[in-house]
Amino acid sequence: EAQVTQNPRYLITVTGKKLTVTCSQNMNHEYMSWYRQDPGLGLRQIYYSMNVEVTDKGDVPEGYKVSRKEKRNFPLILESPSPNQTSLYFCASSLMGASGEKLFFGSGTQLSVL
Amino acid sequence: RKEVEQDPGPFNVPEGATVAFNCTYSNSASQSFFWYRQDCRKEPKLLMSVYSSGNEDGRFTAQLNRASQYISLLIRDSKLSDSATYLCVVNEGTGRRALTFGSGTRLQVQP
Repeated sequence: EAQVTQNPRYLITVTGKKLTVTCSQNMNHEYMSWYRQDPGLGLRQIYYSMNVEVTDKGDVPEGYKVSRKEKRNFPLILESPSPNQTSLYFCASSLMGASGEKLFFGSGTQLSVL
Repeated sequence: RKEVEQDPGPFNVPEGATVAFNCTYSNSASQSFFWYRQDCRKEPKLLMSVYSSGNEDGRFTAQLNRASQYISLLIRDSKLSDSATYLCVVNEGTGRRALTFGSGTRLQVQP
């Protein structure tokens, strides 16, 4: 089954404790991206990757890191989480269809930083 | 001004009603447009792409008005299962294949 697998689903941590949210896709998509979703603000892009070893900042990259060592995996790293990073996070990969982008999303990670 | 704006709602409609949402975008160079559906705290899923000529998928019709820079979604014969948040999504064609999401319009279909 074609899917984007994101883990964990829920995560509670404390300020400053490094964490990684994993994301893996089995569709051989070149493009992958991370979003955060906050009430009233919609989804905002954190980082994206056009291909292996090619990553770039999105709209809200501060406090986050990513890596793309393999095509299927795109982990999101918070080196020193802070309470303002409490949010719902989605990983996505994309198939460039004839009409533009179709994004496939992971099931989300609800992160709480205390 | 937000790049993609939607009325947050909620739109409360009875079953069987017809409901329409609009979404405005600020970048006239935007190239492609989509409606995604998101159930509470779950991942967004593509509902339909929006073509220049307008397109229909069953009870759903999407329209694009480039001159006025808005897209619309019409839902006919609303079902309880249509209750969700509808996200307007715009590809601004900046070369980084980034999509800009509206904050969403919440629809609640009532029996």
